[in-house]
Formats: sequence, C-alpha cells, structure tokens
Amino acid sequence: AQSVTQPDARVTVSEGASLQLRCKYSSSGTPYLFWYVQYPRQGLQLLLKYYSGDPVVQGVNGFEAEFSKSNSSFHLRKASVHWSDSAVYFCVLSATGNTGKLIFGLGTTLQVQP
Amino acid sequence: EAAVTQSPRNKVAVTGGKVTLSCNQTNNHNNMYWYRQDTGHGLRLIHYSYGAGSTEKGDIPDGYKASRPSQENFSLILELATPSQTSVYFCASGATGTGTEVFFGKGTRLTVV
Repeated sequence: AQSVTQPDARVTVSEGASLQLRCKYSSSGTPYLFWYVQYPRQGLQLLLKYYSGDPVVQGVNGFEAEFSKSNSSFHLRKASVHWSDSAVYFCVLSATGNTGKLIFGLGTTLQVQP
Repeated sequence: EAAVTQSPRNKVAVTGGKVTLSCNQTNNHNNMYWYRQDTGHGLRLIHYSYGAGSTEKGDIPDGYKASRPSQENFSLILELATPSQTSVYFCASGATGTGTEVFFGKGTRLTVV
C-alpha cells in the first residue's frame, strides 16, 4: 500500500537558519511526489513536484527537495528561512492507477522565530 | 491562474440539519475532490469525481453525499449533520492523469452544534 510519513509534527527554527523537513514514502511504482504548503486560514499551495530526472527539484520561494529512491525519501530544504515561511507543510504522493488521487502525510508545522 | 472557489467559507449548522457545501472551478479540470482536514489526521478524501455526472467514494464517505452537475461545480451534502462532522473542508480540482497538480480552494469551516 502507498503511504507518506512525515516524522516531525512540529519544527521550530530561527529566522535565517537552514531548514530540512523530512518525508518518507512507500510506493511500488514510480512515485510522483509533491510538497504543498498551507498558510493560516488558506488552502494548500504547490511548492514543488518531482516526476523523474534530476533528484533535486527547485520550487517557489527558495525551496528545494531531494528525491532518494534508495532511502524512499523526499526531504524539503531551504537555505535561509524567513518568518513568513511559518506554515504547515505537506508531503504528498500521487496514487497509482491514474485516479488523480493524492496521499497526504500528516503535515509538519513550521514555526520560524525572529 | 487556476481557481477553485468554495462557499460558504464559514458555516454553523444544527445537529440533524442538512448542509450543502459548494465548489466551483474555472480550470476546466475533469477531476474534483472533497477533503476534510482534522488535527492528527491530515487531509482525508471524502468523495471525488471524474467529470459531470460522476461521483466516487473516497476513503471516508459515510455520512456524506456528493453531486457533480457540471464540469465546473461539485457539491458536498451532509443530509443529517452530526457534531463529528465539524471540520474544515477543502475542495480541489485537477487534470486527468497520475502526477498532475491539484489546486485547492481556501476551505470551508463547518461547525455542527
């Protein structure tokens, strides 16, 4: 069965520090992976996506993620966080079978301290 | 810019009452989805649709019905609302195919008292 695990429910970092949010996935087929962000009282917005090719993918606002097939991971990174990055981040796996369905991790709440 | 609009944004309903949550998309996407978001559970799929006239059960369909009368509109219906259905509901749309981006509305906060 396909699944996504985000082991850290909450991460707190200082403004200007680097960031890594962890994501592990389980999928028998080719994984299509996404990171979405949810700002307070808002819907989810796409940060970046991975389908194939270069394992490091660039997203919006300086975010990037690295895909590792051997580790079944898709960790999100940012070199220097800003207070406005405080939000909930979801790692998401596209379900197989051409249904268009998504499988969500439980999310990681990022708090950036000034 | 892909757009998914939900209405209402906030709703208070009484137990046993009927609630209809509406969603409109201007993306011309075939697929539409209804999720609910609860602390500790993330987002869970309630119903989805592949096009006008079609609805499919998601992972937690009990207590909910869905209606897709047109390409643009997808409604979620709670015939007999219960306090356990208090949650934030998100509508989303996406193109056909595996791995396509899904676009979300801003959510509806439903409180059943």
